[in-house]
Amino acid sequence: SQQGEEDPQALSIQEGENATMNCSYKTSINNLQWYRQNSGRGLVHLILIRSNEREKHSGRLRVTLDTSKKSSSLLITASRAADTASYFCATDATGGFKTIFGAGTRLFVKA
Amino acid sequence: DGGITQSPKYLFRKEGQNVTLSCEQNLNHDAMYWYRQDPGQGLRLIYYSQIVNDFQKGDIAEGYSVSREKKESFPLTVTSAQKNPTAFYLCASSPGTGSSYEQYFGPGTRLTVT
Repeated sequence: SQQGEEDPQALSIQEGENATMNCSYKTSINNLQWYRQNSGRGLVHLILIRSNEREKHSGRLRVTLDTSKKSSSLLITASRAADTASYFCATDATGGFKTIFGAGTRLFVKA
Repeated sequence: DGGITQSPKYLFRKEGQNVTLSCEQNLNHDAMYWYRQDPGQGLRLIYYSQIVNDFQKGDIAEGYSVSREKKESFPLTVTSAQKNPTAFYLCASSPGTGSSYEQYFGPGTRLTVT
C-alpha cells in the first residue's frame, strides 16, 4: 500500500551544495512529514506540512507541498557531510490511522 | 531522560525459534508501532496499537504477534511462521495515531535468523 515515493533514489553532492529530493503520492492527504535516518539508526522527524500549507522552513530545510500535483520537495541548503543519510516522506493512509513511509532517498554529501 | 528504547541492538536466532523484541517508551504516548525495514527499503508496518490492551494488524502482520499490556511497553514476537525474519526492526511511538502526529523512533534491533 505504497503512498509516497521519493525521487531520486540516491543523490551524491559536494559539501556546500543544495540537495533537493522529491516525494509523490497517489491519494489526497491531510499531512506530509519528512524524516531522516542515519545508517543503522532509527528515524528522526524533520518537519510536518499540512495540506493547506504550501511551504515550511526549519533551519536549513525547506519543504514545499503542491497538492494539485500530489508532490512535495525537501530542500537542504548548504549541505554538510553530517547531512549524509536517507530521507523519507510519510503520508496518510486511507482511514487516517496509519502513516505510510516511502522507500527513501539516500543522500551522500562529500566533504 | 525521555525516549524510546529497543533491546537488544543485535539478535541472532536459529530458524524455527520464536524471538521477542523489546520496546519501551517513557514519553507517555498512547500509540506505538512496529516496522520492518529491509536493506535499501522503506518501512513496512507490522502492527500498531492506539491504546493499552488494543492493537491492530499492519500491512505485513503474518508471522508476528504483539501485546500491549502496559502503556510503556509493546513487545514484538517473531514466530517461526515468519518466512523471512532477517531484517531491521524499528519501534516507534506517538501521542496519537495518524499523520498529524510526529513519530518517535527507537534505535532499532537487527535480527539475523540462520
